[in-house]
Amino acid sequence: EDQVTQSPEALRLQEGESSSLNCSYTVSGLRGLFWYRQDPGKGPEFLFTLYSAGEEKEKERLKATLTKKESFLHITAPKPEDSATYLCAPGMDDKIIFGKGTRLHILP
Amino acid sequence: KAGVTQTPRYLIKTRGQQVTLSCSPISGHRSVSWYQQTPGQGLQFLFEYFSETQRNKGNFPGRFSGRQFSNSRSEMNVSTLELGDSALYLCASSLLGGGWNEQFFGPGTRLTVL
Repeated sequence: EDQVTQSPEALRLQEGESSSLNCSYTVSGLRGLFWYRQDPGKGPEFLFTLYSAGEEKEKERLKATLTKKESFLHITAPKPEDSATYLCAPGMDDKIIFGKGTRLHILP
Repeated sequence: KAGVTQTPRYLIKTRGQQVTLSCSPISGHRSVSWYQQTPGQGLQFLFEYFSETQRNKGNFPGRFSGRQFSNSRSEMNVSTLELGDSALYLCASSLLGGGWNEQFFGPGTRLTVL
């Protein structure tokens, strides 16, 4: 069965304190691994697509990496405006499944 | 380029009623997917439409249905509403759909069933 697990469920960091969010997946035939950011009451906002193991993508303070079984979202020197839920979503031939997300809270 | 739009943004219904939600995808996108999001279950896939045909369906009862029009706009219908249908319903637009292409989400419709 296709599965995706994100950890931790919630994370509180001080402003400037770097950390990583984990996404572990077991899927049949990965085609792309997507990361989204979601603010409360809003739709998810697309961040990155990773297609193959070893690939990395960066955007401001965020960097996403991919291995054969995991993806990491590294956040460097976060600011309070980075507070959100981050969703990981592996895509297969015919569907994308979403993890339950990591709720990130950055304290000023 | 305009993003994905969903109407209405908020809806309050009572048990037993039915509801129709609308989604307009990004211009040029042919795939529209629908998701239900609740605090406990996260984002759950309802169905995907591509070129007016349902291409994939999640594990939801037949009360949930949808359609897509020739201009790629999509509607989702829920009949005989239950309390458990209260959720944020999200529509996602994609160029070609499937698991290869990123999806772009609308703001959602917040449905409350009383």
